[in-house]
Amino acid sequence: QKEVEQDPGPLSVPEGAIVSLNCTYSNSAFQYFMWYRQYSRKGPELLMYTYSSGNKEDGRFTAQVDKSSKYISLFIRDSQPSDSATYLCAMEDTGFQKLVFGTGTRLLVSP
Amino acid sequence: EPEVTQTPSHQVTQMGQEVILRCVPISNHLYFYWYRQILGQKVEFLVSFYNNEISEKSEIFDDQFSVERPDGSNFTLKIRSTKLEDSAMYFCASSEALAGEYLYQETQYFGPGTRLLVL
Repeated sequence: QKEVEQDPGPLSVPEGAIVSLNCTYSNSAFQYFMWYRQYSRKGPELLMYTYSSGNKEDGRFTAQVDKSSKYISLFIRDSQPSDSATYLCAMEDTGFQKLVFGTGTRLLVSP
Repeated sequence: EPEVTQTPSHQVTQMGQEVILRCVPISNHLYFYWYRQILGQKVEFLVSFYNNEISEKSEIFDDQFSVERPDGSNFTLKIRSTKLEDSAMYFCASSEALAGEYLYQETQYFGPGTRLLVL
């Protein structure tokens, strides 16, 4: 079983749609959960950061962590064509230094 | 807003040659990292560096790789004898703290990457 699993997509939605992106993981020691956005041939850009379980909202973005199910989600409301990118989930254990990434989900928002 | 910078943006080299990839981390950050992303694959951790020494490395980071902080601002990744399979995007990242030290200060910020092509 892969440590972090993420559907590669592509996920195609019309402008204005609500987007749901998800990752599952197997390592119960992960405590820190991040979502990065990556445009083509660019570096990952941090979008959301959460610690342990719960929800966090920032503008049109909401991150959810369910540690009991080992499942994290990113919701994008009122999606825009500029949201078209690859979204990477990443996780980290306390005291460890490496981020473990999912494969990324490619999102296409059409006008 | 402070950002991680990397040079060069692109590097083409012949198999067997040495390459040095350079990074300038965010100035008040203490932890530095290298990751790589082979085309179409996920971002993979290579190495982390703190207090002038390697603190963690992956199985990818073998003897052909080395890292150095030659001065107060630069952080470099050297590949001694490049192989075809080293062709990838290499990302540098930095963070203020380690996960668990200070909440939200351990976030890793990534540079734009260096695209390395080994022929």
